[in-house]
Amino acid sequence: GNSVTQMEGPVTLSEEAFLTINCTYTATGYPSLFWYVQYPGEGLQLLLKATKADDKGSNKGFEATYRKETTSFHLEKGSVQVSDSAVYFCALSEGNSGNTPLVFGKGTRLSVIA
Amino acid sequence: KAGVTQTPRYLIKTRGQQVTLSCSPISGHRSVSWYQQTPGQGLQFLFEYFSETQRNKGNFPGRFSGRQFSNSRSEMNVSTLELGDSALYLCASTRPGQKYNEQFFGPGTRLTVL
Repeated sequence: GNSVTQMEGPVTLSEEAFLTINCTYTATGYPSLFWYVQYPGEGLQLLLKATKADDKGSNKGFEATYRKETTSFHLEKGSVQVSDSAVYFCALSEGNSGNTPLVFGKGTRLSVIA
Repeated sequence: KAGVTQTPRYLIKTRGQQVTLSCSPISGHRSVSWYQQTPGQGLQFLFEYFSETQRNKGNFPGRFSGRQFSNSRSEMNVSTLELGDSALYLCASTRPGQKYNEQFFGPGTRLTVL
């Protein structure tokens, strides 16, 4: 079946440090890939997405590139802020019909200290 | 436009009781999905409803059920509650005609079973 593997946290960084959160996936077809973020006490918010190989999703300074050859979708940000402290989830959705369930990784907790 | 709303936000029940959670999707969204989030298992898909019909179902026992109304609002019910049902239950909605499963999440209902 489909699965997503994320690097385990927690990750603690100083403000303005470079962030990478690794994500690899297993899928039988050609999934769409997503990064969601969950701030304390809130639901999930879509951070960025990529729907085909070599697509780069970007938002709020975060980026991730869909790498089919390495089945990866690593999240990066050049300079993190305290406000980026949250839990980040990598997810996939199989196919392109728009109605296949999301499969999530376990999440990576990021803490950014001033 | 208002986001996905879930009621109640917090709930405490005892073992053996049953519970009903409610979700109102974003106006115009017709697909509603439910997920269970626990520290041990992460985010797991429960079921998805579209036009009042269950379109997808995850691997949960029959104690977990749901339904969708003609206005796209959805409810999920858990009967004979067990301690392990304590979790954050998240609801998500999807725009109609969307090719890729970009879901918009509510803040969740935190259920505690004592």
